[in-house]
Amino acid sequence: DGGITQSPKYLFRKEGQNVTLSCEQNLNHDAMYWYRQDPGQGLRLIYYSQIVNDFQKGDIAEGYSVSREKKESFPLTVTSAQKNPTAFYLCASSMRVGEKLFFGSGTQLSVL
Amino acid sequence: DQQVKQNSPSLSVQEGRISILNCDYTNSMFDYFLWYKKYPAEGPTFLISISSIKDKNEDGRFTVFLNKSAKHLSLHIVPSQPGDSAVYFCAAPGGGVGTDKLIFGTGTRLQVFP
Repeated sequence: DGGITQSPKYLFRKEGQNVTLSCEQNLNHDAMYWYRQDPGQGLRLIYYSQIVNDFQKGDIAEGYSVSREKKESFPLTVTSAQKNPTAFYLCASSMRVGEKLFFGSGTQLSVL
Repeated sequence: DQQVKQNSPSLSVQEGRISILNCDYTNSMFDYFLWYKKYPAEGPTFLISISSIKDKNEDGRFTVFLNKSAKHLSLHIVPSQPGDSAVYFCAAPGGGVGTDKLIFGTGTRLQVFP
């Protein structure tokens, strides 16, 4: 069954800690994305990757880092530099950039 | 500068009536538009799309209308059902389909009441 898997569903971060959110897809898509949704707000793009070993900053990349070593995987690290990390994080993929996105089920990150 | 705008943050409609969700865009290069539906604590799911060569696309209870001259699209849901209660996002690829990342509107929360 093809799809996008995000883990964990819930994640807690302590002060000064880096945390990594996992995103895996088996749709054979080239492009992958990370979005952030805050309560009552829309989707804001953090980073995206059009192809393996390449990624670009989105609108709110500060305090985040990504890697794309494999086509299937696009992990997001929320670093200690991100001062307001509490949000719902969504990973997505598409065949090519700008085409229909398929989303994972999301990770809720909270600060302890 | 927001290139895709959903000016109504919320909409409340009675079950069985029509729901109309609106979306405006500023960039005339946009040639493909998508609507997504999102329930709380879940990822958005694709609902319906329309290419700029059409002015209407229909899929069951969902119809999207595109007015290129007004740079406006709307999603009609008829009849509305309680299960349609969700946040709806419109989106468009920045430089045209297959060229650039999708730009999302801020969403409209639809509530369908009995």
